[in-house]
Amino acid sequence: KAGVTQTPRYLIKTRGQQVTLSCSPISGHRSVSWYQQTPGQGLQFLFEYFSETQRNKGNFPGRFSGRQFSNSRSEMNVSTLELGDSALYLCASSLAGQGMIDEQYFGPGTRLTVT
Amino acid sequence: AQSVTQLGSHVSVSEGALVLLRCNYSSSVPPYLFWYVQYPNQGLQLLLKYTTGATLVKGINGFEAEFKKSETSFHLTKPSAHMSDAAEYFCAVSVFSGGYNKLIFGAGTRLAVHP
Repeated sequence: KAGVTQTPRYLIKTRGQQVTLSCSPISGHRSVSWYQQTPGQGLQFLFEYFSETQRNKGNFPGRFSGRQFSNSRSEMNVSTLELGDSALYLCASSLAGQGMIDEQYFGPGTRLTVT
Repeated sequence: AQSVTQLGSHVSVSEGALVLLRCNYSSSVPPYLFWYVQYPNQGLQLLLKYTTGATLVKGINGFEAEFKKSETSFHLTKPSAHMSDAAEYFCAVSVFSGGYNKLIFGAGTRLAVHP
């Protein structure tokens, strides 16, 4: 099976712009989670989507949003970029039905740099 | 609230020496625990997981971890370090939130292996 793929791998944006990142989960996985990784804050949970519905959300401002499509592919969007949004954004997929605890499989990440 | 503490942000060992990476968790319910490894410029890869049953869990690449409820610990070990083990290691606990599960990660431990 192909793993989790994320595009683009690297991105440079300017403050105030917006950005969209894409994630394709492992075939058959319906849950997609997004994480932000920075040297200062470590790995922080952004949100999780399952069957096109957001069912879990971390403590990030409304500038961070996401969606999931019927084929389970997911996008996250960050509007009005700030310097502090520079990070590695990781996507993870799992089978994870309700009440299930299932390991998450991570993609290689998108490195976002905001200048 | 559930949390994960990894003792030591940097650990350095000689090739062939024992690897011990420490993880303590805080959970009000029986936890599900995970160890992930991250190589440079890559996403996270699952090393091993503890859900229920046997408290000594074996993972990939010769790593294992032991769940000790009395000590609220889930330390990762490998009898003999290899140069290829140099990476960052993350301990995580699965948290039940809003009816679904999400992962809470520790801050990570960077393992260096020297000849």
